[in-house]
Amino acid sequence: QKEVEQNSGPLSVPEGAIASLNCTYSDRGSQSFFWYRQYSGKSPELIMFIYSNGDKEDGRFTAQLNKASQYVSLLIRDSQPSDSATYLCAVNRAGANNLFFGTGTRLTVIP
Amino acid sequence: GAGVSQSPSNKVTEKGKDVELRCDPISGHTALYWYRQSLGQGLEFLIYFQGNSAPDKSGLPSDRFSAERTGGSVSTLTIQRTQQEDSAVYLCASSFRGVGQPQHFGDGTRLSIL
Repeated sequence: QKEVEQNSGPLSVPEGAIASLNCTYSDRGSQSFFWYRQYSGKSPELIMFIYSNGDKEDGRFTAQLNKASQYVSLLIRDSQPSDSATYLCAVNRAGANNLFFGTGTRLTVIP
Repeated sequence: GAGVSQSPSNKVTEKGKDVELRCDPISGHTALYWYRQSLGQGLEFLIYFQGNSAPDKSGLPSDRFSAERTGGSVSTLTIQRTQQEDSAVYLCASSFRGVGQPQHFGDGTRLSIL
């Protein structure tokens, strides 16, 4: 079982819609959760992090964490073509120094 | 403000040669990480430095890989006797303090082994 799993997509949404990206993780003791955006040929860019159960909002982005279900999601409201990228979920497992990354979900926002 | 700086941005070398990759973290960040990303693959952890503590080398794939961090700032990742499977983008990240904190990535070094 992989540490972090994401649906690879591609996920296509029309401009202005809500994009929902999902991630599950295997270690119940994980404590820190991150979403990165990676444009093709570029490095990952941090867009959200969340530590506690519930929702965390920042502009058009909302991260949701459910530790009981070992599930973290990212909602992008009013999706724009510039949001088209691969979104990486990353988790800091208890006792580990590094982040474990999913393989990413490719999002395409259609104008 | 300055982000994580990596050099070179691209490196092409022949199989069997040694390469050095450099990372300059964000000022004030005590933690530094190296990852690599192969084509179509996820990010793979290589090594972690935190302050003056002994580094966590658990992700280094072989003894051909080594890294050091001088003065708690700049880090170099060295790959000896490069192999074609070493071709990847090598990414450096830093965070304020250590584990569990948001990591910020540099632009990476794209390494190609001929």
